[in-house]
Amino acid sequence: DVKVTQSSRYLVKRTGEKVFLECVQDMDHENMFWYRQDPGLGLRLIYFSYDVKMKEKGDIPEGYSVSREKKERFSLILESASTNQTSMYLCASSFRRAGYTYGYTFGSGTRLTVV
Amino acid sequence: SQQGEEDPQALSIQEGENATMNCSYKTSINNLQWYRQNSGRGLVHLILIRSNEREKHSGRLRVTLDTSKKSSSLLITASRAADTASYFCATVARGRGYQKVTFGTGTKLQVIP
Repeated sequence: DVKVTQSSRYLVKRTGEKVFLECVQDMDHENMFWYRQDPGLGLRLIYFSYDVKMKEKGDIPEGYSVSREKKERFSLILESASTNQTSMYLCASSFRRAGYTYGYTFGSGTRLTVV
Repeated sequence: SQQGEEDPQALSIQEGENATMNCSYKTSINNLQWYRQNSGRGLVHLILIRSNEREKHSGRLRVTLDTSKKSSSLLITASRAADTASYFCATVARGRGYQKVTFGTGTKLQVIP
């Protein structure tokens, strides 16, 4: 069964800590995405990547960075965690083919609490 | 701002009834997708409808798209308790060299057994 795996379901971190959220997909997808989901705001795109070592800012990149050293792995980094980064973080991936759009496959999410 | 806005925000129906959710958007799109999210979990892709299509079916799901009104609807027929979830529309538009996907805020559906 193909899937996107996020390393943690729940995470509690202290303000100022550097936080790593890991995402691995086994579908050989080119595209990978990080979203955060907050009540009333829906899903907001933080960063995405269309290829290894490639990254693009989404709508809310401030306070975050990403790393994609291998095709199957896309990491989200909170350089210095703050309480307003408490949220559900969702990783997704999809194929990339010219002229086609594919649905996303999502991971189960990581609920991060910053105290 | 959000591209897709779902309506209603919440919907409660009896098992066996049909559920209809609507999505409105602001700019031109290439296609529109619907996703389901069970409580506290990731989203699951349900169906994709292209901008040149008007209606699409998948099992108990029926999606319509009206590009002149910039709106879409998702109909779930003969609902089941297991359909209880949040449903999101996602619009796909052309961005700077890539396709930009924007999710709405979702409709929370409760199906009462």
